[in-house]
Amino acid sequence: AQSVAQPEDQVNVAEGNPLTVKCTYSVSGNPYLFWYVQYPNRGLQFLLKYITGDNLVKGSYGFEAEFNKSQTSFHLKKPSALVSDSALYFCAVRDMIKAAGNKLTFGGGTRVLVKP
Amino acid sequence: DSGVTQTPKHLITATGQRVTLRCSPRSGDLSVYWYQQSLDQGLQFLIQYYNGEERAKGNILERFSAQQFPDLHSELNLSSLELGDSALYFCASSLPGGDTEAFFGQGTRLTVV
Repeated sequence: AQSVAQPEDQVNVAEGNPLTVKCTYSVSGNPYLFWYVQYPNRGLQFLLKYITGDNLVKGSYGFEAEFNKSQTSFHLKKPSALVSDSALYFCAVRDMIKAAGNKLTFGGGTRVLVKP
Repeated sequence: DSGVTQTPKHLITATGQRVTLRCSPRSGDLSVYWYQQSLDQGLQFLIQYYNGEERAKGNILERFSAQQFPDLHSELNLSSLELGDSALYFCASSLPGGDTEAFFGQGTRLTVV
């Protein structure tokens, strides 16, 4: 069965500093990995995905993520955080075996608080 | 705006009642997914439909059911509601293919009193 772990419930960072949100995954086949962000009272917004190819993936709003197969990780990064980046971030994996359908399995979420 | 429309946005109902949540996917998307988000359980996958057929089932209670209609909109039916069913219910849709991202609606907040 596929699973995702986000080991930090909350990450605090000062505005202008680098931001990292950690994610590790477990799948039986090749993983397709995704990051989403959720602002209060809103749905999840897609940030970026890793399917294949370059391990460094660039996405929306200046975010990027690095896929590391040996460590089964897909950490989200932003070189310089903004106060407006404060939100709930979810990592998700899609296990590419037929029995799983196309469902996304999400981690528990990491709340990011960027302080001015 | 993701292009996925969910109605209603808020729903307050009593225990034991039945409600129907509706989802209109993005134009062209054949897959529809339902998720439940609660404080203690996080984001839980409930069920997926693809072009009218059930594709995958997750932690969906027997009291819950869903369907996808020929026009591709989907409905999630929740019956014999309990206090613990209070949650945010999300619908998402995607194009065919495992490499496509899912787009989420803004959710229906269900409160059971």
